[in-house]
Amino acid sequence: DARVTQTPRHKVTEMGQEVTMRCQPILGHNTVFWYRQTMMQGLELLAYFRNRAPLDDSGMPKDRFSAEMPDATLATLKIQPSEPRDSAVYFCASGLPLAGVYEQYFGPGTRLTVT
Amino acid sequence: AQKITQTQPGMFVQEKEAVTLDCTYDTSDPSYGLFWYKQPSSGEMIFLIYQGSYDQQNATEGRYSLNFQKARKSANLVISASQLGDSAMYFCAMREGNTGGFKTIFGAGTRLFVKA
Repeated sequence: DARVTQTPRHKVTEMGQEVTMRCQPILGHNTVFWYRQTMMQGLELLAYFRNRAPLDDSGMPKDRFSAEMPDATLATLKIQPSEPRDSAVYFCASGLPLAGVYEQYFGPGTRLTVT
Repeated sequence: AQKITQTQPGMFVQEKEAVTLDCTYDTSDPSYGLFWYKQPSSGEMIFLIYQGSYDQQNATEGRYSLNFQKARKSANLVISASQLGDSAMYFCAMREGNTGGFKTIFGAGTRLFVKA
């Protein structure tokens, strides 16, 4: 049963620390998304990649956030330095557009708490 | 700019009855796709159903159907024969465009409570 995996599942850190979240997309999927979910803002798209190249990162605060895909099996989202307002659940999703359907498969999320 | 609107923050339904969750969208792109996802209390996002803008028939997946009214720009989710396990948050989402990337925007969600 192919799934998107994310690590860590939970992260508590102090303000100012670097946070790295990792995602392993489903094998063969060529598109990877990073979302942030908060009560106030709902689900926000931060960035997404197609064939490891960034297509859109307009939703991401550039000064502290960075997203990369070092290879086809790993996507990373880094926050440096972290701030309390970054506390949220961060989801990774992957997909492969087939026959015009663009279904995304979500990982379980990383719950980040910045104190 | 594209926009997804879910006007029902919360909905109650009696077990075994049908329920409709509303979703309206706004886009100037003739090619788009509409999705519904379910998020139970455990937090994962589960894909339910997809409707393409050029699809002639309304999409159905088991107890889920999408009432697609293109002229009204609405894509309501109908859940038939509600079950207690259907209690969750439901998100409507839209993908705009048919080439290149497939950026998807989500609505604010509707929380569904199924009563025994």
